[in-house]
Amino acid sequence: NAGVTQTPKFRVLKTGQSMTLLCAQDMNHEYMYWYRQDPGMGLRLIHYSVGEGTTAKGEVPDGYNVSRLKKQNFLLGLESAAPSQTSVYFCASSDRLGQFFGPGTRLTVL
Amino acid sequence: KQEVTQIPAALSVPEGENLVLNCSFTDSAIYNLQWFRQDPGKGLTSLLLIQSSQREQTSGRLNASLDKSSGRSTLYIAASQPGDSATYLCAVDSSYKLIFGSGTRLLVRP
Repeated sequence: NAGVTQTPKFRVLKTGQSMTLLCAQDMNHEYMYWYRQDPGMGLRLIHYSVGEGTTAKGEVPDGYNVSRLKKQNFLLGLESAAPSQTSVYFCASSDRLGQFFGPGTRLTVL
Repeated sequence: KQEVTQIPAALSVPEGENLVLNCSFTDSAIYNLQWFRQDPGKGLTSLLLIQSSQREQTSGRLNASLDKSSGRSTLYIAASQPGDSATYLCAVDSSYKLIFGSGTRLLVRP
C-alpha cells in the first residue's frame, strides 16, 4: 500500500497563475482533507470531503476549490494564485483508526 | 470553538531522560485525540490515537493518556533517544475534522 500520495512535491507559481494539487489514497477511506501548514499558524483545514462527490469548507477555504470525482482522489485547485498562498499543503484521509497524511507539497507563489 | 494548546513549545533534554509533552483542549466533546510526529520538511506520522472512551494508549516507549473531563492529554516518552528529535503535534477530532495544536519541538541531545 502506498498510503496517501501527493503530486507535485514542489511547485513555484507566479501571482495569478493557476494549478491543481492531486491527492490519492489506496486505503478505501471515505473521508479526505486538505490542510495548509504555515510557520506560527500550525495546520489549518482548507476543505474536506466525506465521500465521493461531496466537498465542504474548512477553516480557511477562500481562494481554493476542490473536487472529489473518484473516491480515491481529492483535488485542490488554485484559480489565481496569490503570495499569501505560499505554504506547505498536506492531504490526509481517515478511518476509525485516525487520519493519515501525505508527504506534502511545498508551494511558492512569487 | 475548539482550541488546542501544547506546552512547552520547545524542549531540550539529554539522551535517556523520560519526558512528558502536554496538550490541552477547550471543548471536551471529542471523538478522539491523535498524536503525530513531524520531522523537518516531512509529513505527519501518526503515533497514537485515543478514542474518547479510552484513558490511554501505548506503543513501544510511547504512552498517551486522555482526561476528557479536564481537557488534557499527555504524551510520555520513556528513555528518550536522539532519533526522537522532532516536532510532536496533538490534534482533537470533534467531527471527523482535526483541530491541531502548534506542536512541541523536541531535541534529544546525545
